[in-house]
Amino acid sequence: GNSVTQMEGPVTLSEEAFLTINCTYTATGYPSLFWYVQYPGEGLQLLLKATKADDKGSNKGFEATYRKETTSFHLEKGSVQVSDSAVYFCALSEDSNYQLIWGAGTKLIIKP
Amino acid sequence: EADIYQTPRYLVIGTGKKITLECSQTMGHDKMYWYQQDPGMELHLIHYSYGVNSTEKGDLSSESTVSRIRTEHFPLTLESARPSHTSQYLCASSEYGPSGNTIYFGEGSWLTVV
Repeated sequence: GNSVTQMEGPVTLSEEAFLTINCTYTATGYPSLFWYVQYPGEGLQLLLKATKADDKGSNKGFEATYRKETTSFHLEKGSVQVSDSAVYFCALSEDSNYQLIWGAGTKLIIKP
Repeated sequence: EADIYQTPRYLVIGTGKKITLECSQTMGHDKMYWYQQDPGMELHLIHYSYGVNSTEKGDLSSESTVSRIRTEHFPLTLESARPSHTSQYLCASSEYGPSGNTIYFGEGSWLTVV
């Protein structure tokens, strides 16, 4: 079946460090891929998405590239800020249904 | 931006009480969802709906029930709350278009059963 695997957290970085949060997936078809972010005490917000191979999603300085050959959708940011501290969820959606398959989430802690 | 609203945001109630968590969306989305989530942890789908009069159980067994009488409204009800129901409940809706299935979330309802 379909699944999403994220790197375990928490990930702790200093401000201005480079961020990578790994996400790999298994899917039978050609899924769309998403990153959602959840700030403390809030619901989930769509951060970025990509719908086909080699697409790059980007938002708020975050980027992720849909790599079909490695079945990956790693989240990156060149210089993180304290305000980026949150839980990040990777997810996939296939055309054949309307459900999202979720990763377990990765907690990111940015220290000043 | 998505327009999906949940009430109450925070609720503390006693064991055995009946509660309803409200969820409304103004985007005309057919599909709606309820997720249960402990703080910062995995999301568990407990109910979903493909449209009016459609309700399905999700991956995680739940003692709650839902109804979908109107497109914009998808309330979740617990007939008799227990401390094990303490959690955050997230309502969501989705559109399906050229960019695939994008889900939009409300801000969540934090339920504490004492």
